[in-house]
Amino acid sequence: GENVEQHPSTLSVQEGDSAVIKCTYSDSASNYFPWYKQELGKGPQLIIDIRSNVGEKKDQRIAVTLNKTAKHFSLHITETQPEDSAVYFCAASGNFNKFYFGSGTKLNVKP
Amino acid sequence: GAVVSQHPSRVICKSGTSVKIECRSLDFQATTMFWYRQFPKQSLMLMATSNEGSKATYEQGVEKDKFLINHASLTLSTLTVTSAHPEDSSFYICSARDTGVTNEKLFFGSGTQLSVL
Repeated sequence: GENVEQHPSTLSVQEGDSAVIKCTYSDSASNYFPWYKQELGKGPQLIIDIRSNVGEKKDQRIAVTLNKTAKHFSLHITETQPEDSAVYFCAASGNFNKFYFGSGTKLNVKP
Repeated sequence: GAVVSQHPSRVICKSGTSVKIECRSLDFQATTMFWYRQFPKQSLMLMATSNEGSKATYEQGVEKDKFLINHASLTLSTLTVTSAHPEDSSFYICSARDTGVTNEKLFFGSGTQLSVL
């Protein structure tokens, strides 16, 4: 099956700086890669996603890049704010049959 | 984005009792819902895939008689933890596939914190 690895496990940045979280996957059949933000005691919230026919997608301060050849995708958050502090999960799916999640990255944005 | 409602958000029960958790897709129909379990500071562990009108598909190691799943309609799936024990205490989260849009997405409920005394 699919194996998704996520790094780093924790990330601390100063407010205003950029944050980058990276994930790799193993199954070349995976074609959908969402990113979720989870705050303490809440369910994951979809923040951005990318499909295998696209190399990059941007939504305001958040962007995701995908390298199908290398089988890795990354989340980029620019101009970080304290409210960006949360745990971020990447995931990979092949045609939505199953979703495989990374181990999570705890992002701490220091004011 | 689409809304997935999960209730209750928190439940405390005595050992041996059963607990039902509801997951509803509020503004879309979901033929498939997923149930996850999450331990503190860990990732989401898929327990089962719930398909409307058919039996759920359980992941290896998940007891289907312990965790009963019913997906009776296109907007509702329930997870019942039967004869709960303290080791069942965990954060349970449902998710639903929104297939009614051009770009299909997966949305999560807000989770249920189960504490078994």
